[in-house]
Amino acid sequence: DAGVIQSPRHEVTEMGQEVTLRCKPISGHDYLFWYRQTMMRGLELLIYFNNNVPIDDSGMPEDRFSAKMPNASFSTLKIQPSEPRDSAVYFCASRTSGSRVTGELFFGEGSRLTVL
Amino acid sequence: KQEVTQIPAALSVPEGENLVLNCSFTDSAIYNLQWFRQDPGKGLTSLLLIQSSQREQTSGRLNASLDKSSGRSTLYIAASQPGDSATYLCAALNSGYSTLTFGKGTMLLVSP
Repeated sequence: DAGVIQSPRHEVTEMGQEVTLRCKPISGHDYLFWYRQTMMRGLELLIYFNNNVPIDDSGMPEDRFSAKMPNASFSTLKIQPSEPRDSAVYFCASRTSGSRVTGELFFGEGSRLTVL
Repeated sequence: KQEVTQIPAALSVPEGENLVLNCSFTDSAIYNLQWFRQDPGKGLTSLLLIQSSQREQTSGRLNASLDKSSGRSTLYIAASQPGDSATYLCAALNSGYSTLTFGKGTMLLVSP
């Protein structure tokens, strides 16, 4: 199994530019989560999907952030326009309904975003 | 709202020492408590999961305990090795929820 795949691994952009982060969850997983990690705030949940439907987006910081999951194998997190305070590592994670019992959540390697 | 705290934020020990990492949570109505490892520049890897009905789980040199009444969990690492150097995060899954609440982690450095 290839695991959760995220792209790009690193992104450097200038303030005001649009940023799109991509995630391919593990095949068969019906939950997908987007997290943001910073030194100051730790790991924060931004949004999560179940069966491609957004369930809770209360962690999305502002309207500049949006996320979509057009199908079971692909999700995007978009920031438009980007700001320096958006600089962080963004993680995608997935799991199955069944693994709520086992609790096993699989993380991607993350996308490190730097906004200048 | 669940809050998860990890102490200490950083820990440095010589190789061979046994050590304990601490995790506390404010809401005891948890479904399970999980420990993850994060290597620099990498994602999180699940280490151990303790169900709310359990007291501890073991995997190799790792042992995690859970005391719901006091809102605490510990991760015990026996005979630490340089390869154990990483950040360790605990996370609580509350009953009725689908999402984990993470602590900020303990950065562990094991020196040869």
